[in-house]
Amino acid sequence: QSVLTQPPSVSAAPGQKVTISCSGSSSNIGNNYVSWYQQLPGTAPKLLIYENIKRPSGIPDRFSGSKSGTSATLGITGLQTGDEADYYCGTWDSSLSAGIFGGGTKLTVL
Amino acid sequence: QVQLQESGPGLVKPSQTLSLTCTVSGGSISGANSYWNWIRQPAGKGLEWIGRIHTSGSTIYNPSLKSRVTISLDTSKNQFSLNLSSVTAADTAVYYCARGPVSQIGFWGQGTLVTVAS
Repeated sequence: QSVLTQPPSVSAAPGQKVTISCSGSSSNIGNNYVSWYQQLPGTAPKLLIYENIKRPSGIPDRFSGSKSGTSATLGITGLQTGDEADYYCGTWDSSLSAGIFGGGTKLTVL
Repeated sequence: QVQLQESGPGLVKPSQTLSLTCTVSGGSISGANSYWNWIRQPAGKGLEWIGRIHTSGSTIYNPSLKSRVTISLDTSKNQFSLNLSSVTAADTAVYYCARGPVSQIGFWGQGTLVTVAS
C-alpha cells in the first residue's frame, strides 16, 4: 500500500478534461515538491510535471499540475487516445527520508 | 541529452545478489549536482524507489530495503551500480536507473527485467 493515494482508474471521452488526485501528508506532499509521470505501456515513465506546477520542455500545456495542502492534482485537457497510460505522482517523504510514489492511476480515453 | 542504460543479468537465483549497472552518456556523472536513482516496478504494479546516490557519493536508501541495498558510483566509467542482496521472488521486477531528485526525475533508462528464480 502506497504512502501516496491515487485513484486506481479514471476515464473520460476524447476532447474532455480529467483530473487525477494524489493524497499524502505533511511529511511528504505538504512540505515537498510533487512530480507527475506518464507511463505508456511497455515504456519507462516520463516526467510531465515537476515542482508541483512546472512542465518540462516539450510537454504540452494540456497537462497541468497543482497542489493544495497535502494533496496534489494532475489535470489533462483535450484528451486524446494517445493519453491512455498510467500516471504516477512522486515526492520526497521527510519522515521516511525516502522517495515515494503513488500507486498509479490508469487513464482510459473512451 | 543525457541517456541512461541499465545492464546486468536477467536471471538471479534466490538468496544471491542482484547486481545492475547504469551507464550514463551525454554528460558526466560527477560533473553536475545530480541525484542518481534506482527504481523498480514489479509486473502490473507501481513504482518503488530503491535509493539514490549524489554526485558527492552520499547515499540514501528506501528503509524497507536498506539492509540489503548498496548503490555506488564509478566516475571513471561514468556509471553507477545497484547491489541487492539475499533476493527472493518478491524482488522480480523491471529495474530503472534515473537521474534527478524524486520531485524531478527527468531522465530514465529503458528498464531491465530481472527475474529471481532457481
